Amino acid sequence: GAVVSQHPSRVICKSGTSVKIECRSLDFQATTMFWYRQFPKQSLMLMATSNEGSKATYEQGVEKDKFLINHASLTLSTLTVTSAHPEDSSFYICSARGGTGGLSYEQYFGPGTRLTVT
Amino acid sequence: RKEVEQDPGPFNVPEGATVAFNCTYSNSASQSFFWYRQDCRKEPKLLMSVYSSGNEDGRFTAQLNRASQYISLLIRDSKLSDSATYLCVVIGNTGNQFYFGTGTSLTVIP
Repeated sequence: GAVVSQHPSRVICKSGTSVKIECRSLDFQATTMFWYRQFPKQSLMLMATSNEGSKATYEQGVEKDKFLINHASLTLSTLTVTSAHPEDSSFYICSARGGTGGLSYEQYFGPGTRLTVT
Repeated sequence: RKEVEQDPGPFNVPEGATVAFNCTYSNSASQSFFWYRQDCRKEPKLLMSVYSSGNEDGRFTAQLNRASQYISLLIRDSKLSDSATYLCVVIGNTGNQFYFGTGTSLTVIP
């Protein structure tokens, strides 16, 4: 199956700093990438959808100036959490969708990045 | 009303038991449906798609009921390794809207 990598897998940062998370599709071209956040014992919450070469579409309640998303190529999307605060501590997961036909709706998830802001 | 509603459980069942989860969705024009499995602190992985005619993969059976707007997942002969959270996913009518259920926690007990 398709492989999506995410880096870093775990990051601890101080309040006020910015953190960049990378999401790569390793063996396919991802026309669309999604960023999710998951708090403990809760479901995935979609933060934004990004299509290669265009601006990301953010879900209601997600601050686009705080969570900067760049999808500059068909294999790479980045999420930058700017001026992180302890309440931003969470599990961030990206997913990628690509291809055509019946598989085009499947999402392949990255392994996630656990962010802890102290 | 939420796009997707799912009973969070937890379901605690003995090994060998049969267990079923349901997920209801609100948009009758929804296009596609999936079940994902998520282990603790890991990313979700696709378990199976849900087809209108129903589909089976080993001990797992997925069904779609468009009239009542729900999908189901049946697990027969539960194994300890089936312990996980099961998420239903519904694709909206435009094809770009992905709605996740809150997940149903399953623990299979020896």
